[in-house]
Amino acid sequence: DQQVKQNSPSLSVQEGRISILNCDYTNSMFDYFLWYKKYPAEGPTFLISISSIKDKNEDGRFTVFLNKSAKHLSLHIVPSQPGDSAVYFCAATVLTSGTYKYIFGTGTRLKVLA
Amino acid sequence: NAGVMQNPRHLVRRRGQEARLRCSPVKGHSHVYWYRQLPEEGLKFMVYLQKENIIDESGMPKERFSAEFPKEGPSILRIQQVVRGDSAAYFCASSPGQVGNTIYFGEGSWLTVV
Repeated sequence: DQQVKQNSPSLSVQEGRISILNCDYTNSMFDYFLWYKKYPAEGPTFLISISSIKDKNEDGRFTVFLNKSAKHLSLHIVPSQPGDSAVYFCAATVLTSGTYKYIFGTGTRLKVLA
Repeated sequence: NAGVMQNPRHLVRRRGQEARLRCSPVKGHSHVYWYRQLPEEGLKFMVYLQKENIIDESGMPKERFSAEFPKEGPSILRIQQVVRGDSAAYFCASSPGQVGNTIYFGEGSWLTVV
């Protein structure tokens, strides 16, 4: 049962254009969402997060949008740079029986073309 | 650098041997998570621990796998009698434990079973 889904396994974008990575979730009780970037042979690095009480959070070139009614999350990268080429994971968390579990999607591989 | 430290980074074991992976969380973090990434797959939750307690081990295989986070020292993920299917990257993450807090990952331990 995949509660967090990233339906696009890969995405290619020209340098300077916008990259939009999408994430869907099924559990309406999720209350905090995060995006991580991962380079090969390295650990995931935190990028940006958003609480379920907000619909937008911005940090430099990165903006995360949350549409709770659609159970949809997206990460926008503007402008895209070659160094952004990596695998991006979205994650969601909820308090369940006193514990916090972070559920990750399967990732989207972004390639920014110079 | 007081980030999550994992060792060894790379480990080769023959089938039937034991693998021990260590994780030292960010200083001050009392919550540790272990995830596994199989080749070409996403991050799969394995276990969530607080100091001296296993909070959620629902993602851990029932046999051969165990985890601990003692009062003193690093968290240990132990895999007994390894098989080829255990070959994967194992990532540890830590957090202070409050909802809405980001979890921070280590660089990972790559286990190869030959």
